[in-house]
Amino acid sequence: QVQLVESGGGVVQPGTSLRLSCAASGFIFSSYAMHWVRQAPGKGLEWVGVISHDAKVKIYPDSVRGRFTISRDYSKNTLSLEMSSLRVEDSAIYYCARDPTMGEPDYFDYWGQGTLVTVSS
Amino acid sequence: EIVLTQSPGTLSLSPGERASLSCRASQSVRNNYLAWYQQKPGQAPRLLIYGASSRATGIPERFSGSGSGTDFTLTISRLEPEDFAVYYCQQYGGSPLITFGPGTKVDIK
Repeated sequence: QVQLVESGGGVVQPGTSLRLSCAASGFIFSSYAMHWVRQAPGKGLEWVGVISHDAKVKIYPDSVRGRFTISRDYSKNTLSLEMSSLRVEDSAIYYCARDPTMGEPDYFDYWGQGTLVTVSS
Repeated sequence: EIVLTQSPGTLSLSPGERASLSCRASQSVRNNYLAWYQQKPGQAPRLLIYGASSRATGIPERFSGSGSGTDFTLTISRLEPEDFAVYYCQQYGGSPLITFGPGTKVDIK
């Protein structure tokens, strides 16, 4: 069965960096685009970015572009999110999610359980 | 930029009742690329509907999606106790590429 397990969250100070990971299993990792979505405590969902199945295309919203970088390791079936210049407003639960198609980025059919990032001085 | 608005913010209903949740887009959603998710406390969202009206795998028939253009609806025909949750709509393919609505909470009356 499809499993996505995030790790790497924690408490960090503003302006620092943090790397999140998402271990994928139960499906052919190289066949699917993958996304990161975040949710601030008690708030709604915000899309953080996508990496295509072949890692050739990466797209980010304005809120994180230039600060966050998504990558993937096919040998380890792992998705990563490198976050730099972190801000208090980046505090959230970060979910990795699978995109069910190989075409344009669209919706998310499987989600991990999330990892909490708290940015605080 | 496509902005999604969901109404009502909270819907208070009893088990067995019908729920209609609205998602309105600030501009037409390309190809009706709209999805719905259910989220319960402490859990990740779960995909219910994609393409405005296609049910995801394993989703009960009491959940249905409809609409096109800028107006979309998620209908739960008869609420079961496990359906009380927050529901989000999401558009894909617009600008920005992916956006979510603020959510509708369905709680027990």
